[in-house]
Amino acid sequence: GAGVSQSPSNKVTEKGKDVELRCDPISGHTALYWYRQSLGQGLEFLIYFQGNSAPDKSGLPSDRFSAERTGGSVSTLTIQRTQQEDSAVYLCASSLSGGLDGELFFGEGSRLTVL
Amino acid sequence: GEDVEQSLFLSVREGDSSVINCTYTDSSSTYLYWYKQEPGAGLQLLTYIFSNMDMKQDQRLTVLLNKKDKHLSLRIADTQTGDSAIYFCAEMTGTYKYIFGTGTRLKVLA
Repeated sequence: GAGVSQSPSNKVTEKGKDVELRCDPISGHTALYWYRQSLGQGLEFLIYFQGNSAPDKSGLPSDRFSAERTGGSVSTLTIQRTQQEDSAVYLCASSLSGGLDGELFFGEGSRLTVL
Repeated sequence: GEDVEQSLFLSVREGDSSVINCTYTDSSSTYLYWYKQEPGAGLQLLTYIFSNMDMKQDQRLTVLLNKKDKHLSLRIADTQTGDSAIYFCAEMTGTYKYIFGTGTRLKVLA
C-alpha cells in the first residue's frame, strides 16, 4: 500500500486478555518503530526494528509486551494479560533507513481500550 | 534523562501567528523535528532543522533553534483553521532513536 497500515483501528478488550496489534510498513522501509500515545503523555518509544539486526526493546514497559517482525516487513505487537493502564493509541512508523535523515511515516494507530 | 517538553495547549485567532515552543535535553542531537497530528490520523513530518542551523524557513513555517538553551520553536504565520492539530517536537538521539515531546494542541479560533 501507499502508507503504513495498522489494524485493528480500534480494539476493546477485557482486563486480563491478550491482544495483538498489526503493522504493515511501507514497502522497502527497513526501519520500523512502535510508539504508545497516552493522553497528555506524548509519544513513548516502545521498540525499534532495523533490517535483520536485533531489535531495540528498551522501551517496552514490561514483560507483558513483546513484538516481532517477520520477514523484515509486517510487525505484530502483543500485549499479554492486558491491564487498564495499557489503554492508549499504539502507533507504528516506518522509515526508509532509520538513519539521521530518515523521515518517519506513521500509521493512523490502533486505539486500545482495556475495560 | 531524555525528555522533550512542550506546553500542552495554545489558542490563537485566525490570521495571527502561532509560536509553539519546545525544550530538549540531548545536546548531541543532530536533527530536530516538528510533526503534525490531525484528529484521528498519524503524525506527519512538517519540517526539520539540522543542529548547526539557527533558523529554517519553509513557506509559512519558521523554525528557530537556540542550541545553548536547547530551545526549539515553530512559528506558523497567518494561522488558518486547518492548522488546528497537535504539534510534536522530536529530537534524534544516537543514530535512530526519536524522542518526542508531549505535543502542543493548537486551536485556531475563527
